[in-house]
Amino acid sequence: SAVISQKPSRDICQRGTSLTIQCQVDSQVTMMFWYRQQPGQSLTLIATANQGSEATYESGFVIDKFPISRPNLTFSTLTVSNMSPEDSSIYLCSAGDNEKLFFGSGTQLSVL
Amino acid sequence: SQQGEEDPQALSIQEGENATMNCSYKTSINNLQWYRQNSGRGLVHLILIRSNEREKHSGRLRVTLDTSKKSSSLLITASRAADTASYFCATNTGNQFYFGTGTSLTVIP
Repeated sequence: SAVISQKPSRDICQRGTSLTIQCQVDSQVTMMFWYRQQPGQSLTLIATANQGSEATYESGFVIDKFPISRPNLTFSTLTVSNMSPEDSSIYLCSAGDNEKLFFGSGTQLSVL
Repeated sequence: SQQGEEDPQALSIQEGENATMNCSYKTSINNLQWYRQNSGRGLVHLILIRSNEREKHSGRLRVTLDTSKKSSSLLITASRAADTASYFCATNTGNQFYFGTGTSLTVIP
């Protein structure tokens, strides 16, 4: 079992600014991922956060827009850079192994 | 996109009835998992079925997997109002998890 703390839980940001979301896991995990979810929609994988190396991004997501860090096995950050209203969404951190993922409660981001 | 498809998109049943939701996916998988999401926030893991398994049970949940058809189904028996939530299948390819489009289940008391 793993408990994931994600913060902030919500934020309202101005266009052109950046927001960093933090994800802390209470135990060492092999895998950490970042997802985006629009209300009523499914989860879209942004990237796999790799410990000590560059994240692996899915098609349509780039490092300049969504820089990710994972300095150790229990902590990761996702930055949403140069935000626009289209970035308004829920961002979810997840962690675990091949047989189970645990999720944080998400960050609800609104960009004005 | 490697995202799977689920049907139905929405399902409304009476308490005590069974609910069945289906998931189709596109790639080879290590395993397939089902998750529940309440109130649009964090997901909770329900059950896992490995690629070499055909059926799995856990309490009121029954999952089937047909790798030749790249499909899975989740059956919730004797549903309760507390089962009202969105349900997602997730395929594990070894390095990533891809989630299906989801089924919104409403159980009417």
